[in-house]
Amino acid sequence: DIVMTQTPLSSPVTLGQPASISCRSSQSLVHSDGNTYLSWLQQRPGQPPRLLIYKISNRFSGVPDRFTGSGAGTDFTLRISRVEAEDVGVYYCMQATQFPLYTFGQGTKLQIK
Amino acid sequence: QVQLEESGPGLVKPSGTLSLTCAVSGDSISSRNWWSWVRQPPGKGLEWIGEIYHSGSTNYNPSLKSRVTISVDKSKNQFSLKLSSVTAADTAVYYCASESQDSSGSHGAFDIWGQGTMVTVSS
Repeated sequence: DIVMTQTPLSSPVTLGQPASISCRSSQSLVHSDGNTYLSWLQQRPGQPPRLLIYKISNRFSGVPDRFTGSGAGTDFTLRISRVEAEDVGVYYCMQATQFPLYTFGQGTKLQIK
Repeated sequence: QVQLEESGPGLVKPSGTLSLTCAVSGDSISSRNWWSWVRQPPGKGLEWIGEIYHSGSTNYNPSLKSRVTISVDKSKNQFSLKLSSVTAADTAVYYCASESQDSSGSHGAFDIWGQGTMVTVSS
């Protein structure tokens, strides 16, 4: 199984400042079809997860442009350019390259200082 | 816009079978390819349980495969989860989710989620 490891597990951030979350996979997420199926989800308190980014860097419909995904191979990053209060929650990376077994990172809790 | 809603008993006895249904509204269940179940124990992360294609093909997480059955009922526009021989470790919020896709194929990401339903395993 592909293991997804996120760092940090907790990230206190000042409003208006940037934040960055790292996700590393135990093996390359490049699929045989050439795509890399790495996505990012946000889970606000008491809510279901919400898709932010798919295939490394594609922002999903309605997601603010302050969210940016990047990376390749086994190392990926989610960046928030200026953190807002509504960004508080837990962020998960997820791989779907090893279809049909999807795995998630442990989650990174974003909180305001 | 497709919406998902989970339903089922909130309490299941140990060694019993957990049964949940996910109702799909806003479009036909055939409008998308794969439909999944994901769970989240209290205070913990997400675990993918399994998925079903609208035609009925299934894939399961190997760690749960021996206990999981996912089925689809096109006439009711819904799909279901059964998890047998449950223990306290199966206590979790259970979500149904749908995989994002476009004309070029799957995005390998879940873009639509139900609100989730809490299932507690206890006598």
